[in-house]
Amino acid sequence: QSVLTQPPSVSGAPGQRVTISCAGSTSNIGANYDVHWYQQLPGTAPKLLIYNDNNRPSGVSDRFSGSKSGTSASLAITGLQAEDEAHYFCQSYDNNLSGWRVFGGGTKLTVL
Amino acid sequence: QVQLQESGPGLVKPSGTLSLTCAVSGDSISNSYWWNWVRQPPGKGLEWMAEIYHSGNSNYNPSLKSRVSISIDKSKNQFSLKLNSVTAADTAVYYCARRSSSYMDVWGKGTTVTVSS
Repeated sequence: QSVLTQPPSVSGAPGQRVTISCAGSTSNIGANYDVHWYQQLPGTAPKLLIYNDNNRPSGVSDRFSGSKSGTSASLAITGLQAEDEAHYFCQSYDNNLSGWRVFGGGTKLTVL
Repeated sequence: QVQLQESGPGLVKPSGTLSLTCAVSGDSISNSYWWNWVRQPPGKGLEWMAEIYHSGNSNYNPSLKSRVSISIDKSKNQFSLKLNSVTAADTAVYYCARRSSSYMDVWGKGTTVTVSS
């Protein structure tokens, strides 16, 4: 299983706000390593959505925001739209062993 | 803009070696980025495999370290992955990606590799 834990699925109606959690430990998120989020639309490669906890790359809607506290992080999506239906993955760094990059297992967002 | 393109055999026999190449265009592989491989088994999540810097320095996923190697060819502006002793569990879409700071900001479209006899 993944080092970072995400819920397998979340859902919401258009216009609503949803959050996706990413639970880690003291060797990754809790060690204050940055958390990043990726959006993967069906049949496509992941796309960077949020970097360094709460920053949006150019072109990403401000409906997406990130936060981090303790050993967990969250992605919030407001004003849910049909085009937001996708898989979302969190990513960080883990300092166990020799250190490595770790991903969450992913969360499927369904827009009802 | 920067583009990454994976290439390699789509079918590998069990116990064989998986070899993939990622061609980088629109940027020099000698710039200050780390070049990564990430894979995704069918219906599953992302798994970071390895990364390399233009100096040749590399890092590996501890769970794959005994079977994987990554290399870089600055003259061709590309980097490569080799995974030994493959099994059906290595069937996946393999992505190459550029790491800026600690996040992957540019991804290739991915290439599907199936391990089967």
